[in-house]
Amino acid sequence: EVQLVESGGGLVQPGGSLRLSCAASGFTFSDHYMDWVRQAPGKGLEWVGRSRNKANSYTTEYAASVKGRFTISRDDSKNSLYLQMNSLKTEDTAVYYCARGGGDYRHFDCWGRGTLVTVSS
Amino acid sequence: DIQLTQSPSFLSASVGDRVTITCRASQGISSYLAWYQQKPGKAPKLLIYAASTLQSGVPSRFSGSASGTEFTLTISSLQPEDFATYYCQQLSSYPITFGQGTRLEIK
Repeated sequence: EVQLVESGGGLVQPGGSLRLSCAASGFTFSDHYMDWVRQAPGKGLEWVGRSRNKANSYTTEYAASVKGRFTISRDDSKNSLYLQMNSLKTEDTAVYYCARGGGDYRHFDCWGRGTLVTVSS
Repeated sequence: DIQLTQSPSFLSASVGDRVTITCRASQGISSYLAWYQQKPGKAPKLLIYAASTLQSGVPSRFSGSASGTEFTLTISSLQPEDFATYYCQQLSSYPITFGQGTRLEIK
């Protein structure tokens, strides 16, 4: 069974840092693009960023709202995706989901349950 | 950035109704359009990708179509479990963007 499980969320003060993890199982992790998506309370979905697969040199893309503050990395030996979040702002408060970019269109065919990040003083 | 505009933002319908949700892209995205369903407190679920391809395991009452920059999600006969929020998404170019969502509620 394909599964994604996020962890690492919590309460952090503005300006602080947090590292989220996403543990993958049930598929060949290194073959896949992986994404982070967030959802602020009561709001819609916002794409955060992407890690391409090994075949595409693990290159990354980011939304403008997080570029320079957030960094996506992965460890294929641990089947894990990470999101390092620095200089956090109150507007970064959201549930953060990891998702698998599958197929030729890299649509998000599998999602984790999400982890809540609250940025507040 | 490519903007996706969904309409309507809110839809009230009854079990058995046929409903259509529209997603308009601000520029051409070929078939790089997906649809997701999200229920409260849950992660989104992929319904349709490549504009019209039904994801494995999704009931056949869901269908997608495209005409230029206009995309539609149709539910042929609403079931109680279909009441949720629906999002379109474009994967044609970065940044990947989502529509604002369509909330489908029971009349």
